[in-house]
Amino acid sequence: DAGVIQSPRHEVTEMGQEVTLRCKPISGHNSLFWYRQTMMRGLELLIYFNNNVPIDDSGMPEDRFSAKMPNASFSTLKIQPSEPRDSAVYFCASSQGRSVYGYTFGSGTRLTVV
Amino acid sequence: AQSVTQLDSHVSVSEGTPVLLRCNYSSSYSPSLFWYVQHPNKGLQLLLKYTSAATLVKGINGFEAEFKKSETSFHLTKPSAHMSDAAEYFCVADISGGGADGLTFGKGTHLIIQP
Repeated sequence: DAGVIQSPRHEVTEMGQEVTLRCKPISGHNSLFWYRQTMMRGLELLIYFNNNVPIDDSGMPEDRFSAKMPNASFSTLKIQPSEPRDSAVYFCASSQGRSVYGYTFGSGTRLTVV
Repeated sequence: AQSVTQLDSHVSVSEGTPVLLRCNYSSSYSPSLFWYVQHPNKGLQLLLKYTSAATLVKGINGFEAEFKKSETSFHLTKPSAHMSDAAEYFCVADISGGGADGLTFGKGTHLIIQP
């Protein structure tokens, strides 16, 4: 299995632009998570899906952030409009059912908003 | 409050000496516990996990951790450090009661290996 695949690996964009991050979970995993990592705040859970349905989006910082999972093999995290404080590494992770099995993380997308 | 506390933000050891990374948790439930490692500019990799079976858990790369309920601890150890162990280590817990609703991460411990 190729693992959790995220794209792009790096993204540099100007303030105000729309940014879309993509994630392909491991086949057969039915839970998908988006995390944000910064030096100041560490790892934060933004949103998670179970069977393609958003379960908890309380971690999404603002209405500028939105996430979708149109099918079991694809999810997007969109920021519109982007701001410099959104600069971070965004990780996608997937798991098979309960979190007791652990999560498999993607390599992350490093977002820089200038 | 339910939480995961990594007691050291940085740990520095010499190559070939033992490694101890400390983690304590606070939970109303019997938690599932994990250690993840993150190498520079990489994603998080699962080292090992405790899910209420054996209290001493062996993971990859020679790491192991012991679950001590009386001390609410899950410290990570390795008998002999290698240069390639230099990374950020996260203690992680499912302290929500078992639902697939996200994990709680510690702040991380940066492990430095001196030659």
